[in-house]
Amino acid sequence: KQEVTQIPAALSVPEGENLVLNCSFTDSAIYNLQWFRQDPGKGLTSLLLIQSSQREQTSGRLNASLDKSSGRSTLYIAASQPGDSATYLCAVGGFQKLVFGTGTRLLVSP
Amino acid sequence: EAEVAQSPRYKITEKSQAVAFWCDPISGHATLYWYRQILGQGPELLVQFQDESVVDDSQLPKDRFSAERLKGVDSTLKIQPAELGDSAMYLCASSLLGSQPQYFGPGTRLLVL
Repeated sequence: KQEVTQIPAALSVPEGENLVLNCSFTDSAIYNLQWFRQDPGKGLTSLLLIQSSQREQTSGRLNASLDKSSGRSTLYIAASQPGDSATYLCAVGGFQKLVFGTGTRLLVSP
Repeated sequence: EAEVAQSPRYKITEKSQAVAFWCDPISGHATLYWYRQILGQGPELLVQFQDESVVDDSQLPKDRFSAERLKGVDSTLKIQPAELGDSAMYLCASSLLGSQPQYFGPGTRLLVL
């Protein structure tokens, strides 16, 4: 059974810092990995999708990497802003199924 | 931009009552998912449809939960009777195919008193 762990559970940084969120998974037989953002009381917004054959994906200030063999993914956020404050969820895609981690709560202070 | 629609956005009910949630996926998306997200946790899959057929309902508490997607488009998730432990966010998502990116709706926040 796939298990997804996200570290740290919470992170507080001053504005402008670069930061890294970590995601690890137990079964390397995956189709893809998705990073989502969730604002309090809201639904999920897809940030980046990495297919199993890819090593990384970039969108603006976000960069996600995938190392299937070690069961790890990282989400790098450059020059963080207060508007980046949210919960970031990692989800590992198996055949027709996503398994989510518990998320990292990020607070960026002005 | 096409979005997944859900209603209602909020629902407060008393235990033992029946509740129903509605989801309209992105047009053309064959796969529809219902997730439950308890506060502080990641979403957990309740049921997955491919067109009108159930693909996976292994985590759906079938004694009280039911889901349908009669015409392979929109879907309804029902709870009867609701219990205090059902208080959570219920999220609907859709994708073109099962292995493609999933797009989520805004969710329905349920509070059972």
